[in-house]
Amino acid sequence: GAGVSQSPRYKVAKRGQDVALRCDPISGHVSLFWYQQALGQGPEFLTYFQNEAQLDKSGLPSDRFFAERPEGSVSTLKIQRTQQEDSAVYLCASSFRRETDTQYFGPGTRLTVL
Amino acid sequence: RKEVEQDPGPFNVPEGATVAFNCTYSNSASQSFFWYRQDCRKEPKLLMSVYSSGNEDGRFTAQLNRASQYISLLIRDSKLSDSATYLCVVIRFTGNQFYFGTGTSLTVIP
Repeated sequence: GAGVSQSPRYKVAKRGQDVALRCDPISGHVSLFWYQQALGQGPEFLTYFQNEAQLDKSGLPSDRFFAERPEGSVSTLKIQRTQQEDSAVYLCASSFRRETDTQYFGPGTRLTVL
Repeated sequence: RKEVEQDPGPFNVPEGATVAFNCTYSNSASQSFFWYRQDCRKEPKLLMSVYSSGNEDGRFTAQLNRASQYISLLIRDSKLSDSATYLCVVIRFTGNQFYFGTGTSLTVIP
């Protein structure tokens, strides 16, 4: 079946603009994760959903970052008033059920803030 | 101190060589451990889980040392296709904590 998909693959935003990044997890996967990966670094955890419930958002760097998964499938990561330091690849991953299950990653959205 | 630390490398090894990476973690309550592989400009993909008893998958062997709080990955008979960044992942269920290391870069040279 299809893997995790993300859109857009690339996004260029002007500083101060709002952006929305979409993640389509593997069908039937309960858990969904968002990560931020800066150049030369490993992915940094942002937030975690189990179905529609956001169980942890401790990794979101500021209140400009907001994530939702209203129907327990597709998720959107929104960044308001983007700043240059938000430039990174945003990775979405899903796993079948528990947080211990293998996480399958999407290709990521590369965000560049000018 | 970072939750998970890896030597970023780069490791440049000839084909056929054996290479080992370590990853240390700071919290003894960590419960699940994985190695992921990430090719340049691609997403991370699971390489293998790491169990206390150690596990092997072909040329790859992963081990966990809880007493010293590190995990290791051994690659035998390196192939050109093994060139990638290897990320260790440490999960702590309490508080849903997921930590990736910064990755270790491996280049296998012909």
